[in-house]
Amino acid sequence: GAGVSQSPSNKVTEKGKDVELRCDPISGHTALYWYRQSLGQGLEFLIYFQGNSAPDKSGLPSDRFSAERTGGSVSTLTIQRTQQEDSAVYLCASSLVGGVTEAFFGQGTRLTVV
Amino acid sequence: EDQVTQSPEALRLQEGESSSLNCSYTVSGLRGLFWYRQDPGKGPEFLFTLYSAGEEKEKERLKATLTKKESFLHITAPKPEDSATYLCAVRTGGGGSNYKLTFGKGTLLTVNP
Repeated sequence: GAGVSQSPSNKVTEKGKDVELRCDPISGHTALYWYRQSLGQGLEFLIYFQGNSAPDKSGLPSDRFSAERTGGSVSTLTIQRTQQEDSAVYLCASSLVGGVTEAFFGQGTRLTVV
Repeated sequence: EDQVTQSPEALRLQEGESSSLNCSYTVSGLRGLFWYRQDPGKGPEFLFTLYSAGEEKEKERLKATLTKKESFLHITAPKPEDSATYLCAVRTGGGGSNYKLTFGKGTLLTVNP
């Protein structure tokens, strides 16, 4: 596609429910990243994919968070048993080559846990 | 630990009033400094990458410069449409982690007509 696409744009969920956030990167980009942006905070790194592999998951806040990438393309970030502190904007980015070229971001998914 | 500090947190300018935003960093092995623009409700939009001290990049009314300790984003004769949050990020080397961007908290720029 022309840019990084994320869905849904907004998600309101009840505390304790599971949510899935989707990212469709720019076609041909091998590297994919998930970041989280909380109010008043900078962007916080969550996980990095090179192809379908995730060599660095160190930013995932807890074991309730997981992510996968299939076909070297679409990625899904799953949050289980959501908590209010999970409320944030979740941003996905992709780059042609990880660690070499610039990253382009999607518009984000605003997650609100009530 | 890599640190990125942006100042000021917020800046209000009149249209045509030039100014600069600052990004200071403490990192081990800089592999690129990035500037992004973020509009409300949108994802960050890539502006510039700088790799070495002395490098400069320009785009319309924006010019980014880099020293060994900081980067400046100069805005010349800004217009209201330049209003946005400007984010600075660094990518550092070392091991296999030179893909990760560490972001500052941003500078919220408002340009009044």
